Amino acid sequence: AQSVAQPEDQVNVAEGNPLTVKCTYSVSGNPYLFWYVQYPNRGLQFLLKYITGDNLVKGSYGFEAEFNKSQTSFHLKKPSALVSDSALYFCAVRDITAGGSYIPTFGRGTSLIVHP
Amino acid sequence: SAVISQKPSRDICQRGTSLTIQCQVDSQVTMMFWYRQQPGQSLTLIATANQGSEATYESGFVIDKFPISRPNLTFSTLTVSNMSPEDSSIYLCSAVDRVDTEAFFGQGTRLTVV
Repeated sequence: AQSVAQPEDQVNVAEGNPLTVKCTYSVSGNPYLFWYVQYPNRGLQFLLKYITGDNLVKGSYGFEAEFNKSQTSFHLKKPSALVSDSALYFCAVRDITAGGSYIPTFGRGTSLIVHP
Repeated sequence: SAVISQKPSRDICQRGTSLTIQCQVDSQVTMMFWYRQQPGQSLTLIATANQGSEATYESGFVIDKFPISRPNLTFSTLTVSNMSPEDSSIYLCSAVDRVDTEAFFGQGTRLTVV
């Protein structure tokens, strides 16, 4: 079984400050991890993924995330937030062990609000 | 990455009628999925659209209510049948080509049933 937890419904940050959106996961084997962003009235856009290799992955729009196996976390970060980063963010996991599914499990989403 | 065109982008429908949503991918993909999302909420998987065979439905979703077609590796449709106001939601098409690649999404169909 695979699951994802995004413990914060909403994150508020001032423009120019660093931001973190938290994600923890649970899989029976090894995970593929993903972050997506959704702007109002739009579909989900892919930001970044961890498949294997370096634990720090960099993605679109200056975002990055760090895979931490011991803490089963994959927090999304950005050094300096922009007002335009305000959106809904989803973490997703896929279990890649034998019999693992193509179907990702999504977290409930975290609304990021960046204040001017 | 592949691009998904989903239409219509929005519709307002009368209860008791049906709406078919189309999803066209610009390249062949292995897997296609249909999700439902309440605004600001997470995604709920309706079904996996299987090419050449019946879709695989998640618990709580049935073929009579949400018939799905996938005639080839680039196209799928979802029909919302005999609609009620409770079906008002955003419907999203998604596709995945390989297990180690990300899923990508259409822009969604915002359905309002009156």
